[in-house]
Amino acid sequence: AAGVIQSPRHLIKEKRETATLKCYPIPRHDTVYWYQQGPGQDPQFLISFYEKMQSDKGSIPDRFSAQQFSDYHSELNMSSLELGDSALYFCASSRLATSTDTQYFGPGTRLTVL
Amino acid sequence: GENVEQHPSTLSVQEGDSAVIKCTYSDSASNYFPWYKQELGKGPQLIIDIRSNVGEKKDQRIAVTLNKTAKHFSLHITETQPEDSAVYFCAASRGFGNEKLTFGTGTRLTIIP
Repeated sequence: AAGVIQSPRHLIKEKRETATLKCYPIPRHDTVYWYQQGPGQDPQFLISFYEKMQSDKGSIPDRFSAQQFSDYHSELNMSSLELGDSALYFCASSRLATSTDTQYFGPGTRLTVL
Repeated sequence: GENVEQHPSTLSVQEGDSAVIKCTYSDSASNYFPWYKQELGKGPQLIIDIRSNVGEKKDQRIAVTLNKTAKHFSLHITETQPEDSAVYFCAASRGFGNEKLTFGTGTRLTIIP
């Protein structure tokens, strides 16, 4: 079965640079979520989109922005990167129509800020 | 907002024994409780979930129980195997569809051969 695809899998950036993370949800899934996981920590919710509209917002810094496109893929844009932004970034997807709330996670993007 | 506590943070059990991980939540409006298994360098993988209208759910060696009155739920793994070694996260959401998950702090489970 198709899974959530994230790219790139690894990304190394310098401080103050920008980064763009991409997420391709499972086919027919209409909702995308972004989570940040620091070393040894639990995933923290950043932001979610349903049918290309922002549906919820968590502890996402103002330096970050995200959007969901017409083909349902999503991009997380991160600017003025800081050392503390180094983390695993997960995208998850779900399908509202199924009413199961099940979120399927991608393999993640490991961002390292030097 | 929701707060989910998870215990223990680490757990070691002999292969073949049972493992139990417990979580408590604070938001009485939460009614969807999934459990995820995360292996090193991988994304969280859903292993079982339960809704508040069900007290217990079982899938082969894995079971989850929910006590909505006490606001706690537990993961039970029986006949543990080395491949069960991983970090396990509980989570909670309001379960109305496309709701964010609030995760517990994780339990590192080690199965001793």
